[in-house]
Amino acid sequence: AQKITQTQPGMFVQEKEAVTLDCTYDTSDPSYGLFWYKQPSSGEMIFLIYQGSYDQQNATEGRYSLNFQKARKSANLVISASQLGDSAMYFCAMRGSGGTASKLTFGTGTRLQVTL
Amino acid sequence: DTGVSQNPRHKITKRGQNVTFRCDPISEHNRLYWYRQTLGQGPEFLTYFQNEAQLEKSRLLSDRFSAERPKGSFSTLEIQRTEQGDSAMYLCASSPRGAGSSYNSPLHFGNGTRLTVT
Repeated sequence: AQKITQTQPGMFVQEKEAVTLDCTYDTSDPSYGLFWYKQPSSGEMIFLIYQGSYDQQNATEGRYSLNFQKARKSANLVISASQLGDSAMYFCAMRGSGGTASKLTFGTGTRLQVTL
Repeated sequence: DTGVSQNPRHKITKRGQNVTFRCDPISEHNRLYWYRQTLGQGPEFLTYFQNEAQLEKSRLLSDRFSAERPKGSFSTLEIQRTEQGDSAMYLCASSPRGAGSSYNSPLHFGNGTRLTVT
């Protein structure tokens, strides 16, 4: 079974500052993918960034980067230079390579509020 | 390519009624997924199709729920005899079948159908 844990129900950050959203995971699959999604109040799930378990470098996509520490089983999302439009729910998720390769397993999410 | 489309966006129904939702995936994607999301929670997997074959079903999918993808394109999710506990956002997602493993492909989600059972 796969499990994603997000321990921060809510976070606040000032505009233009950086923020780190925590994610730890558990899986017995030898290969897996880690994903972050953003869900604004309108409801759509927006894919942000992907990290493969065998990737040597941390993934980056614009202002998003993923701090991947495989030994600690953590995949924290870092948002740099926060903007008001970053206020949303953020979900960490994973897909495995075993029998559960078909689906994404999500955490409970972190609500990020960007303030002036 | 207009992304994953879900209809309706909102559905209000009375307890005991049947409802059906439709999902049109991205055209070249052969994998289609249904998820349910309740308030304050992450999406929970319900079921998954590869082409027209339903390959996996969650234990969350009671016998009142049925999903189909008859021609391997659009999919429908039907809930019979709705209960108040069925009130949730129902999300559809699709992904392509890659040359290698699927674990490195993100799912592309629709805007969801919000169901309210009164």
